This record gives sequence, structure tokens and C-alpha cells, in this order.
Amino acid sequence: GAVVSQHPSWVICKSGTSVKIECRSLDFQATTMFWYRQFPKQSLMLMATSNEGSKATYEQGVEKDKFLINHASLTLSTLTVTSAHPEDSSFYICSAGSRYSYEQYFGPGTRLTVT
Amino acid sequence: QKEVEQDPGPLSVPEGAIVSLNCTYSNSAFQYFMWYRQYSRKGPELLMYTYSSGNKEDGRFTAQVDKSSKYISLFIRDSQPSDSATYLCAMTNQGGSEKLVFGKGTKLTVNP
Repeated sequence: GAVVSQHPSWVICKSGTSVKIECRSLDFQATTMFWYRQFPKQSLMLMATSNEGSKATYEQGVEKDKFLINHASLTLSTLTVTSAHPEDSSFYICSAGSRYSYEQYFGPGTRLTVT
Repeated sequence: QKEVEQDPGPLSVPEGAIVSLNCTYSNSAFQYFMWYRQYSRKGPELLMYTYSSGNKEDGRFTAQVDKSSKYISLFIRDSQPSDSATYLCAMTNQGGSEKLVFGKGTKLTVNP
């Protein structure tokens, strides 16, 4: 299957700072990218869907001004957690999909800890 | 009723056992059905994919979809300790560019 990378894999930041997470589709043209968060022992919760070159569509209850998503190219999407707080500590996972294929491939995830 | 129901387990089996994992769903528009495997602190890995009803086999894994019953299954034959992970069913109605609807995941432990 396709390879999706995320960077960083783990980040610790202080409360009030912003953190940017990158999601790259290495060998797959991702017309759509999805961002999830996952709390321990829980399933994935979709945060937003972004199509290349368009604004992201956020799920109900997700603050779009807090979680900024950019999908500027077919291989790169970024999630910026602005003014992070301890309750934002979670495992953030991206996935890449394409309108030309059924598949969605997940990145390895980024563990965010806000102190 | 949730769109996708999956027994969270946990499920513990001895090595070599046949494992059966299941999900039910309510949305008849779903056409694409996937099973993902997720190891602790890792992203989900696509294991099996089925379009519409039918069976699909890949090595020790068999996926079945029964759209009339809105029921999907994943069977693992000759289970191995390395199969210990959380298994997530997921489904969507239009493939790769549409959001997936996930089950809660079933945590499987295969004991040597």
C-alpha cells in the first residue's frame, strides 16, 4: 500500500504555544486528507476533511480556529494546534485518500503532550 | 443506534485459534468495507477491503460482507501472537475521498 508519513512522531509543548504537524503522502496523490484524534483506548475521531486547494470541512464540535488545517498540495497537509492546552494532548493521525481509488492510508500518528 | 457497532472485546485466544471479528451497521448506502489493524501507539494499517457483498481472502485473513444483513466479518486463521492488536472495521459509501465511519475497535490478544 501507499506510504504516508507524519512529522513529528512525538512532540511536547508548553500550554499556550502552537504546534504544527505535517502529513505527507510519499507515493500517492492524495486529493483528500483526513485528520483524526485518538484518546487512549478509544477509536479514531474524525476532526476534519481537506481537499487539495480547498478549505477544510470540520466535524461538529471541532474548533476550526484552534485546529488549522492546510492542504496546499497533493502530497502535504498540515494541522496546526493553536494555543495548545493540556486537554489537547492526544494522538493525532492523518490519512490520505483519493477520488480515483477506494483506498485510504494512514500515517503513523503524532503524539502531542501539552504541559 | 450508532451507524457502526463493533464489540470492543477484549478478546483473548490461544495461538492457532480461529478468530472471528464482526461489525454491524445501519446505513444501507455503505458500499466499501475495510478492516484495519492498529498496534498500540501506531496508525491503523489497511488489512482487507471488500466492495459490496461477498468474500475476500488474503493469506490467513478472510473478510465477508453480507449487505442484506448489514453485517461484516473478519476471520483470522491460525492466529499468531503478532496478530495481537486492535482491529477496526470501517466503511464508506464512495471510496477514498469520502470519510470513513469506524467501529470502536476490538482488542485482540493471541496468547502463545
